[in-house]
Amino acid sequence: SAVISQKPSRDICQRGTSLTIQCQVDSQVTMMFWYRQQPGQSLTLIATANQGSEATYESGFVIDKFPISRPNLTFSTLTVSNMSPEDSSIYLCSVQGADGYTFGSGTRLTVV
Amino acid sequence: QKEVEQDPGPLSVPEGAIVSLNCTYSNSAFQYFMWYRQYSRKGPELLMYTYSSGNKEDGRFTAQVDKSSKYISLFIRDSQPSDSATYLCAMSVYYNQGGKLIFGQGTELSVKP
Repeated sequence: SAVISQKPSRDICQRGTSLTIQCQVDSQVTMMFWYRQQPGQSLTLIATANQGSEATYESGFVIDKFPISRPNLTFSTLTVSNMSPEDSSIYLCSVQGADGYTFGSGTRLTVV
Repeated sequence: QKEVEQDPGPLSVPEGAIVSLNCTYSNSAFQYFMWYRQYSRKGPELLMYTYSSGNKEDGRFTAQVDKSSKYISLFIRDSQPSDSATYLCAMSVYYNQGGKLIFGQGTELSVKP
């Protein structure tokens, strides 16, 4: 299965600022996915990132808040913009493999 | 009502016990069912993947799907302290559904030596 490197692994940010999370895959993949895991909650899909096209956002998530880039088939970034304490979560990227979906180790974000 | 319900635990068992983890769901269209294990400060790791109803065994792990009852289970035999983690069920209607897995809340398991 694919190996995913995600960084930063954690960060503490001031409210009103933005953080960009990077996700690097060791093989070319068509789609990359960004999830959020809020404390005590299940994982929720934020958006799907296809190379060469605009990301597709799930209900409740908007591009202005979570802009995504997908410059090539092995890399994607998710930016959390104008952060508030409610954005404190773990953010994970994921790719599809032959037997399911593989996840990165996550970015633990705390907004103060 | 959430699409997928999972008892968050925490669940504590002695080493060697049989562990039963369960999820119920409301969407009868789900066909693909997965169990993930998540250690602290790590991403979810795929444990088991099943399609439709039935059982699937892999070493000490057995996954069961009962579509008539909308109920899935993961059994861990001879549990070990290294099995201590959060276990997440996930499911989807189509495998190639673009990553839109619906996850349960996760059950925190602790196996005591």
